[in-house]
Amino acid sequence: DADVTQTPRNRITKTGKRIMLECSQTKGHDRMYWYRQDPGLGLQLIYYSFDVKDINKGEISDGYSVSRQAQAKFSLSLESAIPNQTALYFCAPERTGLMNTEAFFGQGTRLTVV
Amino acid sequence: GDSVTQMEGPVTLSEEAFLTINCTYTATGYPSLFWYVQYPGEGLQLLLKATKADDKGSNKGFEATYRKETTSFHLEKGSVQVSDSAVYFCALKRVAGANNLFFGTGTRLTVIP
Repeated sequence: DADVTQTPRNRITKTGKRIMLECSQTKGHDRMYWYRQDPGLGLQLIYYSFDVKDINKGEISDGYSVSRQAQAKFSLSLESAIPNQTALYFCAPERTGLMNTEAFFGQGTRLTVV
Repeated sequence: GDSVTQMEGPVTLSEEAFLTINCTYTATGYPSLFWYVQYPGEGLQLLLKATKADDKGSNKGFEATYRKETTSFHLEKGSVQVSDSAVYFCALKRVAGANNLFFGTGTRLTVIP
């Protein structure tokens, strides 16, 4: 699997603060995704990247930005955190192939904005 | 647009009971379908998948069949164990654009001894 590491695992931050969530993977998959999970809503796509020079907004990108520093690293930033960004955030690198496409999820970052 | 509708939970079963979690979808094109499982405090893990109509995905005693005629991908297991307690997500992979996974809302399963 993709050996996905997300840091921090938990963070409490204040409204208006800037915070960065980091994600790294060891398997060299080109595609990486950021999702957020809210209770009762499943996972929603925030941003995605098909390679280092390709960054795209997902369904709920407002209030977020990303940086693909290298193939292995894809960071998510909240420029000015607000309470409704309290959620569980997942990074997911993806192996692509005709029959064996699979996304691998990190353990998540639990973010609380107070 | 794309949508995934899952059976609402929570679901509580006794050990060795039969499990069905319903999932239906609407999508553009012919997406691949997935079931992911999330154990407490962990990320999502792929449980099984099917890439075309009539394919059956299976893993760890769980099965699901891609039914194009009913746009369904119901998850089943003949005999659940306490260790199966988790949240189960049905998802489709979008054919175009972001090509991302589009998830249902999840179903929490608790298996009691």
